[in-house]
Amino acid sequence: SQQGEEDPQALSIQEGENATMNCSYKTSINNLQWYRQNSGRGLVHLILIRSNEREKHSGRLRVTLDTSKKSSSLLITASRAADTASYFCATDTPSGTYKYIFGTGTRLKVLA
Amino acid sequence: NAGVTQTPKFQVLKTGQSMTLQCAQDMNHNSMYWYRQDPGMGLRLIYYSASEGTTDKGEVPNGYNVSRLNKREFSLRLESAAPSQTSVYFCASSGGTGRVLTQHFGDGTRLSIL
Repeated sequence: SQQGEEDPQALSIQEGENATMNCSYKTSINNLQWYRQNSGRGLVHLILIRSNEREKHSGRLRVTLDTSKKSSSLLITASRAADTASYFCATDTPSGTYKYIFGTGTRLKVLA
Repeated sequence: NAGVTQTPKFQVLKTGQSMTLQCAQDMNHNSMYWYRQDPGMGLRLIYYSASEGTTDKGEVPNGYNVSRLNKREFSLRLESAAPSQTSVYFCASSGGTGRVLTQHFGDGTRLSIL
């Protein structure tokens, strides 16, 4: 079964607005990652946050992690049309078996 | 620097046919993975190889076999294709320090089984 569940499933915003998407997971983790997938392409790693971190920034991206609620959020500020893509969270497994489990994704559409 | 290369990009099979999806990475990564992506279901792990010489089942291994040919190459084989295996297949490799691994993906193989 999926470890991560993203919310919302789809999001449509105007260029320049902020986009927030959330990820909930079920079991304890060592770290959580966010990936972007453009249409017809493979996933691209965006940012990683460790379980002992609460917030992390990378350019226009801000990720938060709340291990007590088993949830994470990805904020994209000042969105651009080029940010149109699907976004996935991925969590490692408690047993640390070198594998990650991906959520179902949020489809973001940024309108110019 | 090609990263992760998957071949073929598209394939149409008839039920019962067999085929092998190829994947190669040039980043000297130890771990490699095969996923399938179906609409509304995200990515599901089929098989993975933590290091050369080892393979392990993921979430949905039935109907598939894998071979870690060497450190660079990890192939996925469908012995007798079924319509339920129509999907987009992604190969990934990962590297990093300790158990913190970031994954690098190929652009996928779009497989249709009639």
